[in-house]
Amino acid sequence: EDKVVQSPLSLVVHEGDTVTLNCSYEVTNFRSLLWYKQEKKAPTFLFMLTSSGIEKKSGRLSSILDKKELFSILNITATQTGDSAVYLCAVEARGGNNRKLIWGLGTSLAVNP
Amino acid sequence: DAGVIQSPRHEVTEMGQEVTLRCKPISGHNSLFWYRQTMMRGLELLIYFNNNVPIDDSGMPEDRFSAKMPNASFSTLKIQPSEPRDSAVYFCASARLAKNIQYFGAGTRLSVL
Repeated sequence: EDKVVQSPLSLVVHEGDTVTLNCSYEVTNFRSLLWYKQEKKAPTFLFMLTSSGIEKKSGRLSSILDKKELFSILNITATQTGDSAVYLCAVEARGGNNRKLIWGLGTSLAVNP
Repeated sequence: DAGVIQSPRHEVTEMGQEVTLRCKPISGHNSLFWYRQTMMRGLELLIYFNNNVPIDDSGMPEDRFSAKMPNASFSTLKIQPSEPRDSAVYFCASARLAKNIQYFGAGTRLSVL
């Protein structure tokens, strides 16, 4: 059965710390992996990764995919209180009309001042 | 460009009543997804459409749930009759067929008393 597992489930850090969030997956015919940030409302898109070893970066956030070991990490440097959110990882599998994303349960990050 | 628009934002109803949730996807997006999110189960895909055609409704909990997409700019999710266990946040998301980056609406928070 396809699955996506995120760790840790929750994390509390101080402003300025660097955090690494993990996402491992078991999916038949992997196509892409996506990271989303969810504050109080809807998930918002951060990154899409399709190729192994190529880092995606946006400001203090970066992510990389390892297709051999079947995982991805999301790094946040110099964390700020505004980074407090649930970070969701989702994986898309190839195949015909299939558009389903398989979602992890998320990592809840709290950044304290 | 407007994002995905959902209505209502909040719905409180009594057990046994019919509930209709509405969604307007982003213009030009060909795929539309309905999700349910709870603390225990995270994001669950209920049903999705490609070009207004339902592709996979295996996530719909039971016959009480139904969804329609009469045209490219409108979809509904109906629950009849509603039950307390249906209480959750329901999200609608849309994406282009070429690239499965899903953009979410603000969600409808449903409480069934």
